[in-house]
Amino acid sequence: QQQVKQSPQSLIVQKGGISIINCAYENTAFDYFPWYQQFPGKGPALLIAIRPDVSEKKEGRFTISFNKSAKQFSLHIMDSQPGDSATYFCAASKGAARQLTFGSGTQLTVLP
Amino acid sequence: SQTIHQWPATLVQPVGSPLSLECTVEGTSNPNLYWYRQAAGRGLQLLFYSVGIGQISSEVPQNLSASRPQDRQFILSSKKLLLSDSGFYLCAWTGTNTGELFFGEGSRLTVL
Repeated sequence: QQQVKQSPQSLIVQKGGISIINCAYENTAFDYFPWYQQFPGKGPALLIAIRPDVSEKKEGRFTISFNKSAKQFSLHIMDSQPGDSATYFCAASKGAARQLTFGSGTQLTVLP
Repeated sequence: SQTIHQWPATLVQPVGSPLSLECTVEGTSNPNLYWYRQAAGRGLQLLFYSVGIGQISSEVPQNLSASRPQDRQFILSSKKLLLSDSGFYLCAWTGTNTGELFFGEGSRLTVL
């Protein structure tokens, strides 16, 4: 019930393309869904987050789509750039982030 | 603004030696504090979290322990390191009024 399943494990996209990473959760009590971006040798940084009262949130080239009935959410990176190459983690929690459950991560490579 | 510091950034230790990783948060009071471990190419595993001085919750039984001697200080320790303790250790914090989790830069531990 606490799992968050993330796919794909790795993703290669051409510059200018759309990167899509998917996550599915089981616990219907989850009400906070953040995405983190991690560059090699660095700590993860919060990228964007959504709560289940909206179906989509957009910040610049990054968009979270949320499907409450399917218990799925995804990250879309529009016009992907080589600088977006990083590992992306989805996560979910009930209430405050003290009990974030993380997905297994997706290594994104954007080719120039 | 709030900042989080971890040290040392890199550590190479022999099997059986002790460990002490330190983390401090500045610019906030009464944060929730966390220790995560990330094995090479793997996801984020929550090790310990603390909601206050002297209050430690362990998520995974292991060779490690944590302490919170001051409000904004979190320490990860081991009396005798194992090879399997190698990894990237991340300290993180959340404020009591927000759900956002912020990570430090990480400490890379190699046990030989």
